[in-house]
Amino acid sequence: QKEVEQNSGPLSVPEGAIASLNCTYSDRVSQSFFWYRQYSGKSPELIMSIYSNGDKEDGRFTAQLNKASQYVSLLIRDSQPSDSATYLCAVNDYKLSFGAGTTVTVRA
Amino acid sequence: NAGVTQTPKFQVLKTGQSMTLQCAQDMNHNSMYWYRQDPGMGLRLIYYSASEGTTDKGEVPNGYNVSRLNKREFSLRLESAAPSQTSVYFCASSEGVGAYSNQPQHFGDGTRLSIL
Repeated sequence: QKEVEQNSGPLSVPEGAIASLNCTYSDRVSQSFFWYRQYSGKSPELIMSIYSNGDKEDGRFTAQLNKASQYVSLLIRDSQPSDSATYLCAVNDYKLSFGAGTTVTVRA
Repeated sequence: NAGVTQTPKFQVLKTGQSMTLQCAQDMNHNSMYWYRQDPGMGLRLIYYSASEGTTDKGEVPNGYNVSRLNKREFSLRLESAAPSQTSVYFCASSEGVGAYSNQPQHFGDGTRLSIL
């Protein structure tokens, strides 16, 4: 079983809609959680970090963490074409483990 | 505002050749990391360094060596390149210490390496 699993893509959403990305992890001692955005051919870019249960909002992005369910999600509100990218979930237990990523396409 | 700088950006090698990938960060970060990224497999940690003079193996260290030259620089060496090492290599740095750090990692632009 993979340590970090993300919902398989690609995910296609219309412009202005909400994109919902999910991530589950296997290690209960994980303490910190990150979402990275990676445009095609580019490096991962940190967009959100979350450390405690609940929601954390930053602009159009909301991260949600539920440690009991070992689940972290990312919502992108009012999706724009510039949000089209692969989103990587990363979970820190004794090392930073990355999911394989979910590719999001926002169609105009 | 350089952040993490990797060189070269592209490289083609023949099987059996050696080369060193260079990485430098100007953020005064303690920890540095080398990852490889292959299609469908996400980022996998090759080696990391919690501080100058220390290095530790990650998930896929075989076929690689590293050197933490000083706080700024962390190099990755392929002694005898193999086609299975064709990948995109990313260097990252973090303010925290080692792999247990809660601090996020910041990535360089990557090196696209092809081994024929």
